[in-house]
Amino acid sequence: AQSVTQLGSHVSVSEGALVLLRCNYSSSVPPYLFWYVQYPNQGLQLLLKYTSAATLVKGINGFEAEFKKSETSFHLTKPSAHMSDAAEYFCAVTRTGTASKLTFGTGTRLQVTL
Amino acid sequence: ETGVTQSPTHLIKTRGQQVTLRCSSQSGHNTVSWYQQALGQGPQFIFQYYREEENGRGNFPPRFSGLQFPNYSSELNVNALELDDSALYLCASSLDSGRQETQYFGPGTRLLVL
Repeated sequence: AQSVTQLGSHVSVSEGALVLLRCNYSSSVPPYLFWYVQYPNQGLQLLLKYTSAATLVKGINGFEAEFKKSETSFHLTKPSAHMSDAAEYFCAVTRTGTASKLTFGTGTRLQVTL
Repeated sequence: ETGVTQSPTHLIKTRGQQVTLRCSSQSGHNTVSWYQQALGQGPQFIFQYYREEENGRGNFPPRFSGLQFPNYSSELNVNALELDDSALYLCASSLDSGRQETQYFGPGTRLLVL
């Protein structure tokens, strides 16, 4: 069964610093991987997705992620953090079968300080 | 283009009662998925509807049921509410049911069971 593990439930960075949010996946078949962001009291917004095309995926708001099969990782990065990036970030994988069920990680809360 | 909408935004029920949550999918989308997000957790897949038929179900008891209507809007019904049903319920729609499809989330309905 497919699953994802997010290392670090809380990450704190200074404004302007590199953002690195970690996600490792477990899948017996080539996975489709997603990063979503959730702002307080809101639903989830797609940042980017990997669907077996380019391994480096660029998303919205300056975020990108690199699919590394050898490390079973799909870490999310942004070169320079902004205060508005403070939110909860979820990595997700779709399972095989007829339904495009998203299996989410437990989330990483990003705090951005001055 | 109208995004995914959900109603109501908040709801308070008592244990044993029944609740119906509603979701209007994004224009042109024929697939709706429902997720439960407990406080501090990632969303958990409940079930998916594709062209008015259930198309996959997560590990939720039968008292969680749903419907999808010809206009592709959807309902989530929960019978015999339990305290642990308190959560944010998210609806997501997608163009199709394939695992590579992006799911677009609504803002959610926050349910409190007392």
